Amino acid sequence: ILNVEQSPQSLHVQEGDSTNFTCSFPSSNFYALHWYRWETAKSPEALFVMTLNGDEKKKGRISATLNTKEGYSYLYIKGSQPEDSATYLCAFGGDSGGGADGLTFGKGTHLIIQP
Amino acid sequence: DSGVTQTPKHLITATGQRVTLRCSPRSGDLSVYWYQQSLDQGLQFLIQYYNGEERAKGNILERFSAQQFPDLHSELNLSSLELGDSALYFCASSVTPGTHGRNEKLFFGSGTQLSVL
Repeated sequence: ILNVEQSPQSLHVQEGDSTNFTCSFPSSNFYALHWYRWETAKSPEALFVMTLNGDEKKKGRISATLNTKEGYSYLYIKGSQPEDSATYLCAFGGDSGGGADGLTFGKGTHLIIQP
Repeated sequence: DSGVTQTPKHLITATGQRVTLRCSPRSGDLSVYWYQQSLDQGLQFLIQYYNGEERAKGNILERFSAQQFPDLHSELNLSSLELGDSALYFCASSVTPGTHGRNEKLFFGSGTQLSVL
């Protein structure tokens, strides 16, 4: 069973502050790491897909880094705004060897931006 | 709006019953994935279809089955329902098969909330 851990589970941040959270995943048989933003009452929306060690992606105030050798990815949000409030999911794409394909999702980091 | 359509949005049924969830992928997407979101669990991969053929299988129970039709819409059939099957079921789509999740972001529908009473 693949283990994808996200920390912290939840996070309260003041508007304007920057924040970051972590996704840990198996460091072997790695193919891809995805980040999704899931706002309440909406569907998860893709932020980034990263496939190479050292990858860095940026979209506006949100960026992500990837370390496949040690099995972690960070998501950073600079100057948090209320609209950043959401659950952020990471998903690991790897070869479990068990015949199953598809992404393995973490349980998410629930981010609340306080005005 | 992701372009992925799921119906119905909500479904309430009783134990032992059978239901069908429907998904229409984004225009041009050939691959459809089904995921289950239960309380306190991450999204669990159930099954993937690509251009009508089963592509990959995850933690899908034998009581569940799925298919993708020639028009590329997909249906997830859940039978002999149990209380524990209550969950949010998501469909997602992508253009290519996206083996092992490589290089393909998924576009998610808004989900079907299934309640088994």
